[in-house]
Amino acid sequence: AQSVTQLDSQVPVFEEAPVELRCNYSSSVSVYLFWYVQYPNQGLQLLLKYLSGSTLVKGINGFEAEFNKSQTSFHLRKPSVHISDTAEYFCAVSNRDDKIIFGKGTRLHILP
Amino acid sequence: KAGVTQTPRYLIKTRGQQVTLSCSPISGHRSVSWYQQTPGQGLQFLFEYFSETQRNKGNFPGRFSGRQFSNSRSEMNVSTLELGDSALYLCASQTTGSGEKLFFGSGTQLSVL
Repeated sequence: AQSVTQLDSQVPVFEEAPVELRCNYSSSVSVYLFWYVQYPNQGLQLLLKYLSGSTLVKGINGFEAEFNKSQTSFHLRKPSVHISDTAEYFCAVSNRDDKIIFGKGTRLHILP
Repeated sequence: KAGVTQTPRYLIKTRGQQVTLSCSPISGHRSVSWYQQTPGQGLQFLFEYFSETQRNKGNFPGRFSGRQFSNSRSEMNVSTLELGDSALYLCASQTTGSGEKLFFGSGTQLSVL
């Protein structure tokens, strides 16, 4: 069975600084990987996904993530954060036709 | 195109009662998944329905059940409510699955007193 570990429950970062949110997964087969974002009092929305092909995936709002099969990681990065990026970020994994499993989330706090 | 609609938005129940939550997926989406979200636990998968059949199931007790109707609308039922069932219940839909993105509703906030 697959699982997801988000290594940081909270990440504070200054506005306009770079950020990396870490995600590791475990699975015995090929996986699909996702990052979702949840703004306060809203449901989740997709930031980006990796299905196959290029290991560097670009998403919305300037975010990108890199799939690293040898390290079983899918870390999310942004070169310069804004106050509007304050939200909770969830990494998720699934196998073909299987349920999508989410990590416990990382709260991103943008400091002025 | 209307998004995923969940009703009610808020619900307050007492221990021992039962509750039914409703989810209307995006038109054309045949898969509906349910998640329980609590602080510190993230999203925990409850179950997924596809074309009226339960396709995947999480590790929740039998008090949690669901169903899907022919129009793809889905309901989730929790019987004999416990304090620990207090959570945000999120519904998500997708066209068929296999790597497609989930479209989430805003959730139903359930409080059990």
